[in-house]
Amino acid sequence: EIVLTQSPGTLSLSPGERATLSCRASQSVSSSYLAWYQQKPGQAPRLLIYGASSRATGIPDRFSGSGSGTDFTLTISRLEPEDFAVYYCQQYGSSPDTFGQGTKVEIK
Amino acid sequence: QVQLVESGGGLVKPGGSLRLSCAASGFTFSDYYMSWIRQAPGKGLEWVSYISSSGSTIYYADSVKGRFTISRDNAKNSLYLQMNSLRAEDTAVYYCARRIAVAGSDYWGQGTLVTVSS
Repeated sequence: EIVLTQSPGTLSLSPGERATLSCRASQSVSSSYLAWYQQKPGQAPRLLIYGASSRATGIPDRFSGSGSGTDFTLTISRLEPEDFAVYYCQQYGSSPDTFGQGTKVEIK
Repeated sequence: QVQLVESGGGLVKPGGSLRLSCAASGFTFSDYYMSWIRQAPGKGLEWVSYISSSGSTIYYADSVKGRFTISRDNAKNSLYLQMNSLRAEDTAVYYCARRIAVAGSDYWGQGTLVTVSS
């Protein structure tokens, strides 16, 4: 099973700032099958990024993903008020699928 | 539009059983893999199981293997999760999600809460 470790656990930033979230895998993620999800309180997760760097339908271009192998990054170029949430990475290239423990982006 | 609606959650005693359902609409259900993913109160996401479009390929997390059974009825556009021998640690919101091999889980339901308590 591939273990995903996200860092930091919490990121305290102000609107307009840049957010950089990390996801590290215990072994190489097959075909860069790495996704990022956003979850707000009381809501289901929403797919942001798949294939490490492809934005899902309707996702603003301030969200970008990068990385390959074992190291992946989600960048939010300029935080909007609606971006404060919890973000999860997931690998779906090797069964079982696994999730990271999440990074909370909170308002400073 | 794609819709996934879970049902069947509730309060059950340890050792009991529950069957969750997920009704799908707005897409050709029989073309897609489907997953169950859960989230314990205040915790992160945990993948539980997925099933291929035909039902021939199934995977489970080790934490539920031997206790949970995923299935689907393509004629009814429905996904199921039979949960037996439930434990307190199975308490969670259970989400169904459409799984795409190259794109992860692109649509999720709103979830159904399962509480295992005496």
